[in-house]
Amino acid sequence: AQSVSQHNHHVILSEAASLELGCNYSYGGTVNLFWYVQYPGQHLQLLLKYFSGDPLVKGIKGFEAEFIKSKFSFNLRKPSVQWSDTAEYFCAVNLNYGGSQGNLIFGKGTKLSVKP
Amino acid sequence: DAGVTQSPTHLIKTRGQQVTLRCSPKSGHDTVSWYQQALGQGPQFIFQYYEEEERQRGNFPDRFSGHQFPNYSSELNVNALLLGDSALYLCASSFAEGHFSGPDNEQFFGPGTRLTVL
Repeated sequence: AQSVSQHNHHVILSEAASLELGCNYSYGGTVNLFWYVQYPGQHLQLLLKYFSGDPLVKGIKGFEAEFIKSKFSFNLRKPSVQWSDTAEYFCAVNLNYGGSQGNLIFGKGTKLSVKP
Repeated sequence: DAGVTQSPTHLIKTRGQQVTLRCSPKSGHDTVSWYQQALGQGPQFIFQYYEEEERQRGNFPDRFSGHQFPNYSSELNVNALLLGDSALYLCASSFAEGHFSGPDNEQFFGPGTRLTVL
């Protein structure tokens, strides 16, 4: 069965530190990749997505992610975090059935705490 | 433009009872997916509805059922509630691939319904 692994359960950083959250998936076929964020008390929001093309994807709020097909990875990065980035981050995959989308398979999430 | 809305916000039930959760999709969307998010876990796909039919289903028992109405809103029903059904239930809406296929077929999530089973 397809699965998504997020390596870090809880990451604590100081403001201005760089961030990298790991995400690996298990599926050999074509996939679409997503990072969602859930701020405290708010609903899931899409940060960025990868469907095809340039493997370096830029999203909202200065986040970016790199798809490395050979490593089945889609790590999320931000050069300098802010206190307002405190949230839970979820990596998700869905299987690309020739352009149509199946359901989203989520990782367990990584909680990010940024100290002011 | 209203986003995805869900009701109720919170719900407390006892074991064995039945519950119905409701979802209204984002304006213009015609596909609704339901997810269960247990504490400390990522959302897990329950099922997806399009054109009033269940189109895909995740690994959930038949106690979980749903419905989609002609106005695209949807209900999730859970029968014979178990303690393990306590979770945040999320609804997500999108365009069906037949209408708007490809990379912009993004799922928009609602705020969820927090179900507690005692």
